[in-house]
Amino acid sequence: GQNIDQPTEMTATEGAIVQINCTYQTSGFNGLFWYQQHAGEAPTFLSYNVLDGLEEKGRFSSFLSRSKGYSYLLLKELQMKDSASYLCAVKDSNYQLIWGAGTKLIIKP
Amino acid sequence: IAGITQAPTSQILAAGRRMTLRCTQDMRHNAMYWYRQDLGLGLRLIHYSNTAGTTGKGEVPDGYSVSRANTDDFPLTLASAVPSQTSVYFCASSDGTERNEQFFGPGTRLTVL
Repeated sequence: GQNIDQPTEMTATEGAIVQINCTYQTSGFNGLFWYQQHAGEAPTFLSYNVLDGLEEKGRFSSFLSRSKGYSYLLLKELQMKDSASYLCAVKDSNYQLIWGAGTKLIIKP
Repeated sequence: IAGITQAPTSQILAAGRRMTLRCTQDMRHNAMYWYRQDLGLGLRLIHYSNTAGTTGKGEVPDGYSVSRANTDDFPLTLASAVPSQTSVYFCASSDGTERNEQFFGPGTRLTVL
């Protein structure tokens, strides 16, 4: 079967750094997405990785290791507005997205 | 319209009733999707359409039907609603590039009693 694992919930302090991990086992791999979802809102695109390595975009970075079936999202200089759920999704061999359940990130002042 | 719109925003429905959730996009994307999102579970694909005139079944299609008469609209119909279909429903479209990023509508919160 296809499986994507992420921690259910994480807590971090404003101004700090947090790393959200995602491991996957899917039928094929054609890319990995991270989306942000604020409570009661739609998911919005954050990052995309298809090759191994680190993709940096401002305060957010995403890393991929295809051989390990592993990705992480790194958020720096945390702000209260970063409180949200972060969804990991893998594009499988049929180019469909398989979604993790999401990680709820709580930021404390 | 800018992006994807969904209607209604929320709905309370009696079990056994028929309901159509509407989705319209103005980005001229070929592919469109319907997902449901339940607490503790990831987004689950109900149905999808790669282009106007074609549809396909996703992970959880039972009890739902879709149509794609044109590029812009992708309605989802519950023929006879059941309480287990209580969920938040998201419509999405993708741009067909190699990345094929999905763009989401604001969602419809459906409660079946």
